[in-house]
Amino acid sequence: GDSVTQMEGPVTLSEEAFLTINCTYTATGYPSLFWYVQYPGEGLQLLLKATKADDKGSNKGFEATYRKETTSFHLEKGSVQVSDSAVYFCALSDSQFAGGTSYGKLTFGQGTILTVHP
Amino acid sequence: DADVTQTPRNRITKTGKRIMLECSQTKGHDRMYWYRQDPGLGLRLIYYSFDVKDINKGEISDGYSVSRQAQAKFSLSLESAIPNQTALYFCATSDYTIPYGYTFGSGTRLTVV
Repeated sequence: GDSVTQMEGPVTLSEEAFLTINCTYTATGYPSLFWYVQYPGEGLQLLLKATKADDKGSNKGFEATYRKETTSFHLEKGSVQVSDSAVYFCALSDSQFAGGTSYGKLTFGQGTILTVHP
Repeated sequence: DADVTQTPRNRITKTGKRIMLECSQTKGHDRMYWYRQDPGLGLRLIYYSFDVKDINKGEISDGYSVSRQAQAKFSLSLESAIPNQTALYFCATSDYTIPYGYTFGSGTRLTVV
């Protein structure tokens, strides 16, 4: 079945440092890939997405490129801020179709806790 | 008001009790999902529904049941709660015309003692 593996956390950085959170996946077909962010006490929010190979998703200074050859979707940001402290989840959608309809289920990685210090 | 509303936000219940978690949405989406979040395990799918008459089990449905009362409402029940069902529960919705992005509720923190 589909699976997503994220780098082990937690990750602790100083403000303005460079961030990379690794994400690799296993899936059949052609899944869409997502990064979600969860701030303390809140639900998950979509951060960025990519729907086909070589697509780059970007939002709020974060970027991730869909690499089919390495089955990866690593999250990067050039200069993190204290306000970026949160839990980050990599996810993929199922690409199975039945009767022309995708099931639309997401498979999540285990999450990576990011803490940014001033 | 939030697009996806979950009630209650927090709940403590005793082992063996029946409990219902409720979810309502104003997105107009057909698809609704229930996930649970455990530390180090990410989110795991419990049940999902494509419309009122279409309900499907996810990867960890044992011990849970659901009811889709209307397009906008999707409830999760624990028939006889046990301590290892202590977790953070999320409801989510999606529209199949949008590439599989979800809108999440704020979650229900359930503790079974």
